[in-house]
Amino acid sequence: DAKTTQPNSMESNEEEPVHLPCNHSTISGTDYIHWYRQLPSQGPEYVIHGLTSNVNNRMASLAIAEDRKSSTLILHRATLRDAAVYYCTKRGNNAGNMLTFGGGTRLMVKP
Amino acid sequence: SQTIHQWPATLVQPVGSPLSLECTVEGTSNPNLYWYRQAAGRGLQLLFYSVGIGQISSEVPQNLSASRPQDRQFILSSKKLLLSDSGFYLCAWSPPWGQENTGELFFGEGSRLTVL
Repeated sequence: DAKTTQPNSMESNEEEPVHLPCNHSTISGTDYIHWYRQLPSQGPEYVIHGLTSNVNNRMASLAIAEDRKSSTLILHRATLRDAAVYYCTKRGNNAGNMLTFGGGTRLMVKP
Repeated sequence: SQTIHQWPATLVQPVGSPLSLECTVEGTSNPNLYWYRQAAGRGLQLLFYSVGIGQISSEVPQNLSASRPQDRQFILSSKKLLLSDSGFYLCAWSPPWGQENTGELFFGEGSRLTVL
């Protein structure tokens, strides 16, 4: 089963850090954790992914729990343009490279 | 560089009418291709995926079908639309399995379907 669990919504103030949590308790040892975000009326865009170690890129950081059953996407300084729905997904270990998306977290950023 | 296009961007169709949404990818070969649907205010539901020409896997039983007549072309169809088919349809691609890649999906602009 490829389900992940995220809070429906979160609020943040501009210029403050944001920690978006995700539970993926059924993750298998070879599944990668991916994060995407979606702006209104657009397709999702890739944010970051990881397997076991914490990851950083220009958009965000990904902190993965030691047991890999949860992860946290960290936006270090939220901007108004970061307001979007953030999806935590697992990449299945199969030829289809499928990603199954849950409901995501709607992040609202207040000026 | 790789690009993905899907069309039409929006369409309004009556119940019982046929549907055809088209998606093409450029700048890559043998991509994995996907169709997702997003109902209003909901998450993304995987409908179909394809790892090669003529190879279609269905994730959800419904009155929709998909075809891949060419390597970089993916088509979503229906013979008779239902009201529940309304939604935002997204095509996506990823590099084929086995190639060095992040498993990242690249999404198209989406097609918004309203069934009346």
